[in-house]
Amino acid sequence: GAGVSQSPSNKVTEKGKDVELRCDPISGHTALYWYRQSLGQGLEFLIYFQGNSAPDKSGLPSDRFSAERTGGSVSTLTIQRTQQEDSAVYLCASSLGSGNTIYFGEGSWLTVV
Amino acid sequence: KQEVTQIPAALSVPEGENLVLNCSFTDSAIYNLQWFRQDPGKGLTSLLLIQSSQREQTSGRLNASLDKSSGRSTLYIAASQPGDSATYLCAVPTSGTYKYIFGTGTRLKVLA
Repeated sequence: GAGVSQSPSNKVTEKGKDVELRCDPISGHTALYWYRQSLGQGLEFLIYFQGNSAPDKSGLPSDRFSAERTGGSVSTLTIQRTQQEDSAVYLCASSLGSGNTIYFGEGSWLTVV
Repeated sequence: KQEVTQIPAALSVPEGENLVLNCSFTDSAIYNLQWFRQDPGKGLTSLLLIQSSQREQTSGRLNASLDKSSGRSTLYIAASQPGDSATYLCAVPTSGTYKYIFGTGTRLKVLA
């Protein structure tokens, strides 16, 4: 597809399990973002990748959260030992480069029970 | 630290009205500012990107203005329609970076 693709679209997991969320950015986009949106809340910045530069991880809420971007394309956000407060929509976005229009995926809805 | 505020938090208007949504930010050393809309249960859709060197940017019935020195941006929607009902978000990068911080949005309802 032409847009940002995220999978899974919905995930229900048990507390304490690890989850992986995947993001396929728009082809050719060098910048990639992860945000989290809890129910009724605003978007919370998690991490930003730009090309081959070191990612800006300043928004990751704890060391249970990590993200990688392989080959400058696909990104995976991993949450270890999930907690109920991790329940949220995780949104991925990409842009052609820094400072360009940002395009969002539909999000991965995570529910921790 | 960049802080972004949007006023009002919610707005309900009859169809056909012109309206203004406000976004204010604390750190004016920004490269640009972006406006988005979010429909319930969906991701965000880009509306306008306005560069720091610009004062206005237009797309159809939408017009965004930027006053960097005062830390403000407005989104003007002309002749509102029920299809405009959504949450409108502005995003501003932290000083000297492209890490975008989002406001909490204005929830707009346009009544037919």
